[in-house]
Amino acid sequence: EVQLVESGGGLIQPGGSLRLSCAASGFTVSDSYVSWVRQAPGKGLEWISVIYSSGSTHYADSVKGRFTISRDTSKNMLYLQMDSLRVDDTAVYYCAREGWGFGEAFDSWGQGTLVTVAS
Amino acid sequence: QSALTQPASVSGSPGQSITISCTGSGSDIGSYTLVSWYQQHPGKAPKLMIYEVSKRPSGVSNRFSGSKSGNTASLTISGLQAEDEADYYCCSYAGRSTKVFGGGTKLTVL
Repeated sequence: EVQLVESGGGLIQPGGSLRLSCAASGFTVSDSYVSWVRQAPGKGLEWISVIYSSGSTHYADSVKGRFTISRDTSKNMLYLQMDSLRVDDTAVYYCAREGWGFGEAFDSWGQGTLVTVAS
Repeated sequence: QSALTQPASVSGSPGQSITISCTGSGSDIGSYTLVSWYQQHPGKAPKLMIYEVSKRPSGVSNRFSGSKSGNTASLTISGLQAEDEADYYCCSYAGRSTKVFGGGTKLTVL
């Protein structure tokens, strides 16, 4: 069974840094496309970053230059390093897998971890 | 990377059918058959309901169907049931390895 479990969220001041983790099981992160998607309180979903099986990474303009996606193949983990955090980065952050054969769709999601950026 | 446009809310009575639209541009929906739809109940993670415009994952009811015309995709739910009440989001590949979601539609089953 595919499972994704995020951790690392919390309260952080504007300008600070935080690293989110996503523990994957039931599949191999390095063989998959895995993204981070966030959802501000009461708002819609926003795709923010993906790491491909090749290792290439891509970002939404809203986080480019501030966030870095990475993975640890030995631990089957996905990470999101978030720097220069802003109040509008406050959101629940989900990791989500693009399932093989699902045409870029996210077939598995974690439960999310809440990041609150406030002074 | 502008968000796709969805109606903020739709409603229907049990047994009826509803359709949720999702309007993008020639850079996303209009250029790719990589549109997906997600259902999200309050406090829960999204669930994939439709992928590649009109395909259903195993386990998703055939009451859910998708289509696309030009820059607009649509999700239709037939035979509305109380458990269908949720938020629904469309998503499209937008080129250059990016994706864009719609703003979401709240479905109320009357």
